Amino acid sequence: NAGVTQTPKFQVLKTGQSMTLQCAQDMNHNSMYWYRQDPGMGLRLIYYSASEGTTDKGEVPNGYNVSRLNKREFSLRLESAAPSQTSVYFCASSAAGSSYNSPLHFGNGTRLTVT
Amino acid sequence: AQSVTQLGSHVSVSEGALVLLRCNYSSSVPPYLFWYVQYPNQGLQLLLKYTTGATLVKGINGFEAEFKKSETSFHLTKPSAHMSDAAEYFCAVSDPYGNNRLAFGKGNQVVVIP
Repeated sequence: NAGVTQTPKFQVLKTGQSMTLQCAQDMNHNSMYWYRQDPGMGLRLIYYSASEGTTDKGEVPNGYNVSRLNKREFSLRLESAAPSQTSVYFCASSAAGSSYNSPLHFGNGTRLTVT
Repeated sequence: AQSVTQLGSHVSVSEGALVLLRCNYSSSVPPYLFWYVQYPNQGLQLLLKYTTGATLVKGINGFEAEFKKSETSFHLTKPSAHMSDAAEYFCAVSDPYGNNRLAFGKGNQVVVIP
């Protein structure tokens, strides 16, 4: 069982470059999420998609865009990367729907450095 | 807004000793509470969760947590630390507006000393 798959695992960008982080889940989950993890900050929600066809901003959405391509895939795009976006990015999914307590299943992360 | 406080970013514990990680939450409604663990270079995985019912919750790998409404706490414990418990631990509280929007604490990095 693959679970949640993120690509790429590592990426180095120059300031101003763009890139898309890919995420796919094979658990038939309704909801998908993008978090960023920074030292001493815990995880902060960037965007989420409660169901196919919907997306909403989280805690730190500035500088990012997302696309829920279908039920399986949820991508995160950086249009013009900035050094402040250096972070580890995690995609997660849950069966959620209207339930508040379905556990999140995480991918292994993408480590992004912006120089 | 929901929030979680975890004190002490790094926690050192001797092998065989009690592991105690503290979590206090703020919530305007009855909360759902979670503990997640992150091993090096991996994503987070669920240790245990509290939704309703029994306030003492048992999770994987011998961990348990007790929900105390009067203290707004959900502390994580394990009676005897093992080297494999070295990891980062996150407490989280669910968002009252649903969609599983979790608010995470800043995490505790646990170091197990042989």
